[in-house]
Amino acid sequence: DARVTQTPRHKVTEMGQEVTMRCQPILGHNTVFWYRQTMMQGLELLAYFRNRAPLDDSGMPKDRFSAEMPDATLATLKIQPSEPRDSAVYFCASGLVTGAFSYGYTFGSGTRLTVV
Amino acid sequence: GEDVEQSLFLSVREGDSSVINCTYTDSSSTYLYWYKQEPGAGLQLLTYIFSNMDMKQDQRLTVLLNKKDKHLSLRIADTQTGDSAIYFCAETAFGNEKLTFGTGTRLTIIP
Repeated sequence: DARVTQTPRHKVTEMGQEVTMRCQPILGHNTVFWYRQTMMQGLELLAYFRNRAPLDDSGMPKDRFSAEMPDATLATLKIQPSEPRDSAVYFCASGLVTGAFSYGYTFGSGTRLTVV
Repeated sequence: GEDVEQSLFLSVREGDSSVINCTYTDSSSTYLYWYKQEPGAGLQLLTYIFSNMDMKQDQRLTVLLNKKDKHLSLRIADTQTGDSAIYFCAETAFGNEKLTFGTGTRLTIIP
């Protein structure tokens, strides 16, 4: 089965450090999402891309978060500087969207980030 | 804006049917989804239904959609211990492919 691969699976870092999370979407998928999951807020959309172009990053704190797709096989989410409130599980998802039709999105296993 | 609501907890005896409910507010919703999340794992797409359908069945899973009431349900027949997980309802709207998730329903199976 095709899968979305996220690295690292777990990350513990000190406050103020830079964190980079990576995602390899499924080959052929044209849309990539970054979600964050916390107990308090549930699943929040941070940003998403279509054909590598950013479509919406309104869910991201702009001063410290950045999301990019350097190529079709890699999406990155960076936090600089990290803060304890960034502790969460970060999910990448990819899917194929054609016109008004989306076939459902496949999620990666997530990166569990702990900022101390 | 879109809003998707679910009850937080459901307990069911092994072998019984589970029914997980969801309500949504966006009348332009085109697709509605059910995802399953097991502990420490990502979200697994279980099934989805297009808004012009009112029912979809896939093995032990039955999805019912009442578009008038904006109500979606997931029925799991013959619930097993492996069905223990959090189930998320989600929707996308025409021209807006972002998934909006509900809070998730934690399904607990009683032996």
